[in-house]
Amino acid sequence: KQEVTQIPAALSVPEGENLVLNCSFTDSAIYNLQWFRQDPGKGLTSLLLIQSSQREQTSGRLNASLDKSSGRSTLYIAASQPGDSATYLCAPGGGDMRFGAGTRLTVKP
Amino acid sequence: GAVVSQHPSRVICKSGTSVKIECRSLDFQATTMFWYRQFPKQSLMLMATSNEGSKATYEQGVEKDKFLINHASLTLSTLTVTSAHPEDSSFYICSARAAERLSNQPQHFGDGTRLSIL
Repeated sequence: KQEVTQIPAALSVPEGENLVLNCSFTDSAIYNLQWFRQDPGKGLTSLLLIQSSQREQTSGRLNASLDKSSGRSTLYIAASQPGDSATYLCAPGGGDMRFGAGTRLTVKP
Repeated sequence: GAVVSQHPSRVICKSGTSVKIECRSLDFQATTMFWYRQFPKQSLMLMATSNEGSKATYEQGVEKDKFLINHASLTLSTLTVTSAHPEDSSFYICSARAAERLSNQPQHFGDGTRLSIL
C-alpha cells in the first residue's frame, strides 16, 4: 500500500517568500503525481499534474518536480501571497490515489 | 468548470437514517471512481475503489455493508451510508478517472459532501 509523507506538516511565512513543500512516497510504480490545495471546509483544487515520465511541471508561480525512482516530489511556490494560505496535498497516482497528511501553509501579509 | 459533480453538498439527518451520495462524471466516462472520507484536520483516507460493472474494493477497516457503493454506469457512482450514526459524520469526497492513457489522466474530484448525523 502506498504510503505518502509530507514535510513540513505546517509552515508559516511572511508574504513574498519562496518556499518548498516536500513529498515522499514508498511505491514508485505510479502513473503520475498530482498536487492539490484544499481550503478549510472545501474540496480539492488540482494544481499540477506530473506524468511519471516527466521531471517537472510549471504553472504560474508553482513548480513541481518529480523524482520517481527515489519516491520524491517537491512543490516550489515563488513569491508567496496571503491567498496561497491553504493545505497542500500530494497524491501519487497509481492503481489508486492516496494522500499525504498535507502541509498547512499560512502566508502572513 | 467542474467535471465531477457530487450531490448533495451537505446532509444533516437523524441517527439511523441511510444517506445516499451521488458522484457523476460530467464530460467523460469514468471507468474507475474512488471514495474518500476526511475527518476534521486530517487528510483524505481512501475508503474504496469502484470499477464500472464490478464490485467495489474496500480498504481495510471499511465496512462494506455499512458503506454501500454502486457504480452501475460509466458516469455515476453512489455511496450509501446505511443506518448512519454520529461517528459516521465526516466529509466524503468522490473522485473519477477515465481509463485511457492513465499517465496523463488526472483524477477529478467532486466538491465533497459534509455529512452530519445528529
